[in-house]
Amino acid sequence: SQQGEEDPQALSIQEGENATMNCSYKTSINNLQWYRQNSGRGLVHLILIRSNEREKHSGRLRVTLDTSKKSSSLLITASRAADTASYFCATGITGTASKLTFGTGTRLQVTL
Amino acid sequence: ETGVTQSPTHLIKTRGQQVTLRCSSQSGHNTVSWYQQALGQGPQFIFQYYREEENGRGNFPPRFSGLQFPNYSSELNVNALELDDSALYLCASRDATQALEVAFFGQGTRLTVV
Repeated sequence: SQQGEEDPQALSIQEGENATMNCSYKTSINNLQWYRQNSGRGLVHLILIRSNEREKHSGRLRVTLDTSKKSSSLLITASRAADTASYFCATGITGTASKLTFGTGTRLQVTL
Repeated sequence: ETGVTQSPTHLIKTRGQQVTLRCSSQSGHNTVSWYQQALGQGPQFIFQYYREEENGRGNFPPRFSGLQFPNYSSELNVNALELDDSALYLCASRDATQALEVAFFGQGTRLTVV
């Protein structure tokens, strides 16, 4: 079963605009990660935020985490057509037996 | 691009048949996980191998089985294929002993069961 849901399911914006995606999860976590997937192929890790962190930046990406609300958001600033992809949040528990539990994903379309 | 490679990239099988998917982990990674991703859904955890032993399993029946070899490459075997097994199968590797939570994914194998 999925850990949670992402919102919105689909997002269409123009190049240069910002894109915000939200993720909710259900259980306690050690970390939350965001992955990107192009055209149903492999996933690429974007950013990881630990449960004791509230905000993290990486280039044009900004991630926030609210453990009290069990939610996270991913902001992509100044979007580009190349950002068109599906974005997934995944929660994890640290350790050798850890696994990633993915959300349902947000499909982002960036048009010129 | 990660160092994780999967083969084959595409596969068509008939219901009831058996299939083996292969994954070569990124160098130095001792943990491999397999995920099933149905169309329009997020990946679902199938199982994980750490140093050749299964150490985690998701909600998948026993006809889904796996192996990890001494060189940390891995296989996913599915017996008695069903139509619902049609999906993208993803392999991911990481170095669990370094407590690195980031997983490196291969490009996946698209399995179609007809």
